[in-house]
Amino acid sequence: KNEVEQSPQNLTAQEGEFITINCSYSVGISALHWLQQHPGGGIVSLFMLSSGKKKHGRLIATINIQEKHSSLHITASHPRDSAVYICAVESNYGGSQGNLIFGKGTKLSVKP
Amino acid sequence: DARVTQTPRHKVTEMGQEVTMRCQPILGHNTVFWYRQTMMQGLELLAYFRNRAPLDDSGMPKDRFSAEMPDATLATLKIQPSEPRDSAVYFCASGLSTPFTSRDRGFGLNEKLFFGSGTQLSVL
Repeated sequence: KNEVEQSPQNLTAQEGEFITINCSYSVGISALHWLQQHPGGGIVSLFMLSSGKKKHGRLIATINIQEKHSSLHITASHPRDSAVYICAVESNYGGSQGNLIFGKGTKLSVKP
Repeated sequence: DARVTQTPRHKVTEMGQEVTMRCQPILGHNTVFWYRQTMMQGLELLAYFRNRAPLDDSGMPKDRFSAEMPDATLATLKIQPSEPRDSAVYFCASGLSTPFTSRDRGFGLNEKLFFGSGTQLSVL
């Protein structure tokens, strides 16, 4: 079983829809990161959070440490949001402190 | 804008040749990661440095891969000899890690990671 599981793997939405991507993890963490990778390949860090909720524009990230679960929400989705969204947890154990363990990613396609 | 600079962007080489990838982290960042991305495996850690000291290179095939930080402004990843299965995109990322105030929590990133544009490597 992967230490970081994302769902869904693929998601197609119509422009304007509210989108939720989920991430569950099974290891102890100090923080969780949401990354965005566009078709061109570049990776951008969207959020780093260790509790509660963060918001940036139309993006909202939440985390529940007790349930080991995080969600990334996109409100009023737009075709330019089409990308792969990757959840990564920052390990807090042993020699791997600070390292990131990645989920497999969720490929989002937003149709006009 | 501060950014992580990786070179080269693309590299095509023949099996058996040496490949060197370079990364210039953001000034002031003390933590540097090398990741490899393939369709099958996604993003995998190869090596990671904090304050130039190697912390975890367990994901790196040590018989052919080596990673170094000769100074705070340069990280290198070398493959010798290269093999077709090394074909992938290699990313460097940098960030700032500081000790947590809680004694048992060690170090952690205290801000988002910044990724380089990646090196697309093809080994024929």
